[in-house]
Amino acid sequence: DGGITQSPKYLFRKEGQNVTLSCEQNLNHDAMYWYRQDPGQGLRLIYYSQIVNDFQKGDIAEGYSVSREKKESFPLTVTSAQKNPTAFYLCASRKHSGAPRNEQFFGPGTRLTVL
Amino acid sequence: AQRVTQPEKLLSVFKGAPVELKCNYSYSGSPELFWYVQYSRQRLQLLLRHISRESIKGFTADLNKGETSFHLKKPFAQEEDSAMYYCALFGNEKLTFGTGTRLTIIP
Repeated sequence: DGGITQSPKYLFRKEGQNVTLSCEQNLNHDAMYWYRQDPGQGLRLIYYSQIVNDFQKGDIAEGYSVSREKKESFPLTVTSAQKNPTAFYLCASRKHSGAPRNEQFFGPGTRLTVL
Repeated sequence: AQRVTQPEKLLSVFKGAPVELKCNYSYSGSPELFWYVQYSRQRLQLLLRHISRESIKGFTADLNKGETSFHLKKPFAQEEDSAMYYCALFGNEKLTFGTGTRLTIIP
């Protein structure tokens, strides 16, 4: 079941270290998104990118950074400035035109635990 | 600002009973609404969208602009419906999710 892949599935890091989560898609989708999923809080948008070399902050961007050098790839870096980084991170993508309109497709997620 | 509210964190329903998961939204433009579902150990996936007005796995949802609601309904619950359900609104090039409702079907 390809489409959107995220790696690794589980990630452990020590406090104070930066860590990068991978997200790749082979759907030829234009836009890509990063969400954080916490129990009782739903999905909250971290960053999103509509086109290559451009991205916008979401609702909880502080302590995170992204890049979009290729259409297929949208890596997320969790920096040491993120106060509560332990969470489940989801990547999604969407195409700008055609059907299915505005539907986002999700990856399997990465569970990050900071020790 | 756009917002989605799902008032119930947890909902338990007996098998065969009707199910209704509530969703209310606020958005200044014309909303596009979705229901996403996450089954145990599976990725988040689209269940249905208001534009297509379809029924998926027996679920339906009607957009009520007057009440700003998009409640998800199913007349007879099945055990395989147990999952986490999220209501979402697409606007300003992004999807805003509610906090989700965990639905448990009691055999």
